[in-house]
Amino acid sequence: QVQLQESGPGLVKPSETLSLSCTVSGGSMSNYYWSWIRQLPGKGLEWIGYIYYSGSTNYNPSLKSRVIISADTSKNQFSLNLSSVTAADTAVYYCARHPTVYERFDPWGQGTLVTVSS
Amino acid sequence: QSALTQPASVSGSPGQSITIPCTGTSSDVGGYNYVSWYQQHPGKAPKLIIYDVSKRPSGVSNRFSGSKSGNTASLTISGLQAEDEADYYCSSYTTNSTYVFGTGTKVTAL
Repeated sequence: QVQLQESGPGLVKPSETLSLSCTVSGGSMSNYYWSWIRQLPGKGLEWIGYIYYSGSTNYNPSLKSRVIISADTSKNQFSLNLSSVTAADTAVYYCARHPTVYERFDPWGQGTLVTVSS
Repeated sequence: QSALTQPASVSGSPGQSITIPCTGTSSDVGGYNYVSWYQQHPGKAPKLIIYDVSKRPSGVSNRFSGSKSGNTASLTISGLQAEDEADYYCSSYTTNSTYVFGTGTKVTAL
């Protein structure tokens, strides 16, 4: 059973880069898409972007200029870098898997809260 | 891309059926049969309960069902139980090869 676990700093300063990793256990990254999704405090969900195991990516147009998603399949990990963060980027960040470019996010990681503050 | 529209809250008595609508556009919900629904309990990660409009993952109760008509998808919970109290989000693939989520609905069992 595949499990995902996010990791990274819980506090990031304004204007700096938020960096998170997602470790995949219990299965391979091959032939799947891997997404980052965030949830602002008390708010809904926002898709950030995905990476296919082969390395192709696609990002939410509203965040595209600040996002880079990369993967290291040898470590079964993929990562999120979000640059020039502000308080508006404070959120719980989730990683998730989807079997095709079209379909459902399943499973999800447990999520990690990142606060942007000086 | 704008979020899909869901009512902020829906409530029902235990045992009743409730339906949560999720309204989008022809560029997302109306254009693809790739609508999924997620259940989120407080402090927990979202859990997939419906995908491809009406398919249920293994292990999900058959009290949950999904449908779609035009630009509106719907989630129905039959025989509402206390454990169903949670936030529910719809999601759809879009023409931009991106994904959009709904605004979320809080379900309360009265």
